[in-house]
Amino acid sequence: GEDVEQSLFLSVREGDSSVINCTYTDSSSTYLYWYKQEPGAGLQLLTYIFSNMDMKQDQRLTVLLNKKDKHLSLRIADTQTGDSAIYFCAERNDYKLSFGAGTTVTVRA
Amino acid sequence: KAGVTQTPRYLIKTRGQQVTLSCSPISGHRSVSWYQQTPGQGLQFLFEYFSETQRNKGNFPGRFSGRQFSNSRSEMNVSTLELGDSALYLCASRLGGSTGQGETQYFGPGTRLLVL
Repeated sequence: GEDVEQSLFLSVREGDSSVINCTYTDSSSTYLYWYKQEPGAGLQLLTYIFSNMDMKQDQRLTVLLNKKDKHLSLRIADTQTGDSAIYFCAERNDYKLSFGAGTTVTVRA
Repeated sequence: KAGVTQTPRYLIKTRGQQVTLSCSPISGHRSVSWYQQTPGQGLQFLFEYFSETQRNKGNFPGRFSGRQFSNSRSEMNVSTLELGDSALYLCASRLGGSTGQGETQYFGPGTRLLVL
C-alpha cells in the first residue's frame, strides 16, 4: 500500500485556485516534493519543502506543511488550462522517493 | 544546462526477450535512480547508483539490474521480459550529496516499454 495518500481527482474552473492535498506517514522525511506529469511525459519538479518549514511560496504555487498531522498541500493560484496534469506528492526518506498515486487536475473553462 | 535524457523513448519487445534502457544524468550529478511507473502500482523505486556502485535497491526481482559508468551515465536491464513489465521507466538524477539542494531529484522523460 501507499505510504503517501492523495485524492485522485480535482476539477477546477479556470482562474480559480486549486488545492491538492496529501498525507504522508514517515515523520523522519526530510524533504517533501510536488511533481507534475503531463500526458506522455516524465515528472517535472514543481517545488519542494524542507521538513523544518511550514510554508513555501513560489510564484503561483504555495506549499503548506503541517508536520504534526503529516499533511502537505499545494495551492495553485489563478489556475490555467496548462495546469491540467497529474500532480504527485512525494516524500524523501533516506535514499528514495515514495510517491502518492497522483491527483489528476482538470481545468475547465 | 541540459536535463536528464533517456533513450530510447519507446520500445516494443516480446515476452522472454531482454531490454536495455539508457539514462544520462544532468552534468555534475553523480546519483542516478530508476523508477517504474504503471497504472496499477504507481511509481516504484527500482535502484540507485552512485559512483558506479548500486547503493540501494527496491523490491524487484533479480531480472531487473543496472549499472553506472564512470561518466555517471546509467543503464538498466530487464531480462526474460514479462507482460507485467510494460511500464514507463523513469530515470532521475541528483547531485548525490546528503544536504540541501543535493537532495532534489530531477526526472527524465522516461522510456515507455511495451511487452507483447
